[in-house]
Amino acid sequence: AQKVTQAQTEISVVEKEDVTLDCVYETRDTTYYLFWYKQPPSGELVFLIRRNSFDEQNEISGRYSWNFQKSTSSFNFTITASQVVDSAVYFCALSGGLQGGSEKLVFGKGTKLTVNP
Amino acid sequence: GAVVSQHPSRVICKSGTSVKIECRSLDFQATTMFWYRQFPKQSLMLMATSNEGSKATYEQGVEKDKFLINHASLTLSTLTVTSAHPEDSSFYICSAGRLAASYEQYFGPGTRLTVT
Repeated sequence: AQKVTQAQTEISVVEKEDVTLDCVYETRDTTYYLFWYKQPPSGELVFLIRRNSFDEQNEISGRYSWNFQKSTSSFNFTITASQVVDSAVYFCALSGGLQGGSEKLVFGKGTKLTVNP
Repeated sequence: GAVVSQHPSRVICKSGTSVKIECRSLDFQATTMFWYRQFPKQSLMLMATSNEGSKATYEQGVEKDKFLINHASLTLSTLTVTSAHPEDSSFYICSAGRLAASYEQYFGPGTRLTVT
């Protein structure tokens, strides 16, 4: 069975601090996809990144970066120089890879990030 | 990027009535759509997988006779909550997958259902 664990329920930081959101996953699939989504108070999920299991390169996109380590089954997300607009709930998710990642997603419980001015 | 829409965005209904939620892929064909439910301050839980032209596949614990899913075309899936009760009040989100080299699963904006 697939499982995603986001151990941090809530994190509160002050603006401009760096913050890392942890994600640990379990799967028996050799091919799988990992995702991060942002859910602001409006409720709509905002896609941040998709990573397949064969690509362990870390990725940076502006203030966002992701560290994928298969050895520890982790896919952590770091926000550098956080801003108030980063306040949201962040979900890590996992899908199988048989259909190129188009399978159902298993979500972690989410981490609520609050960035205070 | 691709867009998935949901209608309505918000609905209030009385206990015992039925409500239909539509999920449309606006610029691509989706053979598979997924319906998730999110209770307040909780994660998204998959309810069912909607397959175009065939019966939906429900997750364990989800009543198929209560949550009717119809995927009549490659761009539309509907979820009907029958005989709704207050405990069905939740945020319902659909997603659509497009098989392509650079795959991404697209989520709708969600429908907030309140049953009074």
